This record gives sequence, structure tokens and C-alpha cells, in this order.
Amino acid sequence: RKEVEQDPGPFNVPEGATVAFNCTYSNSASQSFFWYRQDCRKEPKLLMSVYSSGNEDGRFTAQLNRASQYISLLIRDSKLSDSATYLCVVNMVNAGNMLTFGGGTRLMVKP
Amino acid sequence: DVKVTQSSRYLVKRTGEKVFLECVQDMDHENMFWYRQDPGLGLRLIYFSYDVKMKEKGDIPEGYSVSREKKERFSLILESASTNQTSMYLCASSPQGAGLETQYFGPGTRLLVL
Repeated sequence: RKEVEQDPGPFNVPEGATVAFNCTYSNSASQSFFWYRQDCRKEPKLLMSVYSSGNEDGRFTAQLNRASQYISLLIRDSKLSDSATYLCVVNMVNAGNMLTFGGGTRLMVKP
Repeated sequence: DVKVTQSSRYLVKRTGEKVFLECVQDMDHENMFWYRQDPGLGLRLIYFSYDVKMKEKGDIPEGYSVSREKKERFSLILESASTNQTSMYLCASSPQGAGLETQYFGPGTRLLVL
């Protein structure tokens, strides 16, 4: 079983739609959680950290459910420019600065 | 603005060749990482380094070695390239911390081994 699992997609949605991605992690002692965004043929870049209380950044909302060991990302009012692959990333306890990446979920926003 | 650069964007090598991939960061970060990214497998950590001359194996170190002689530079070496090492290689750096710090990635090197 992969340590961090995501539905690879693609999720095809129209502009303006709301879309949600989930991610599950296997290590219950994981301590830090992130969403990274990767555009086609580009490097991953941090989108947002995920805090226990949930957090919002504009149209993006991230939530963490430690009991069920999953993380979610909600994108409201999708834009064409949101088309990318979204990577769920976890920092395992005692792993120092090492991150474990999910395989990514591909989003395609259509006009 | 953090900048991580990689020596080549595209590289074509033959089986058995020795391959050097160079990575340089300009933010005085202590930590540097080498990943490979393959379709369906995501990013997998090959090696990382938390200080000059220090290195630690990641999840898939077989067939690779690394060198960190200077803080800003982290090199990945394929001693004898094989076709299954065809991949996208990504370098990243981050400051020392408790795991909450983001990693900054270079643009990647697409390596094709024939």
C-alpha cells in the first residue's frame, strides 16, 4: 500500500465549478501536510499547508481529518488556470525534513 | 526569491555511461534532495543531504550516488546508466527546520537512457 494515495483523475470540470480532491495517508503519526501544485512539464510548487483546524486561501480550502487519515482540497469557482496536477504531501514523524508525495490528481478545467 | 537551478533540462545518454546531474541553490539552504518522477509513481526520493559532505539514502538509492562538497551544490551521479533510469529528475532544497518548511524545486532534468 502506498504511504500517500490519491485518485489520479483526470477530473474534467467546467469553469466555475467546485471540485474536491481527497488524499489518504497510511502513517497515523504523520505530522505535517501540504498541497503542492505542478503544472505540465514544470516543477512542483507549494500551494498551501494544511492545518488541523482547516485553512482557506481565496478559492482554496484545505482540511485535515486525523481520525480518518485523510486530507482534502476544495477549489471553488474553478478557473482555466487551475488546470494542473495537485500533489498531496506528508511529512512523517521523525522524518526530519523528508516529505512523502502522493502520485497527484490531475485537474482539467474546460471553458 | 529562492532559485534552484539544474544543469540540464534535457539529457540523452547511452546505457553504461556515467551521468552527472548538477543542482545549485542560492538561498543558503541546509537541506537538498534528489527525486525522480515517473508516471503513476509520483515523486520518489533518491538521496538527500542535510549538510555539506553529509548524505542519506532515500527510498530508491540503488544505482545512484550523490556528492555535496559545497553547501549550494548537490550532484546526482548515475555510475552506469541503465534504461530503467530514464525519468524526470527533480532537485529540491529547504532550510533546516521541523518539517514545516516548504521544499523549493528546480525545473527538472528529463533524462533519456538509450
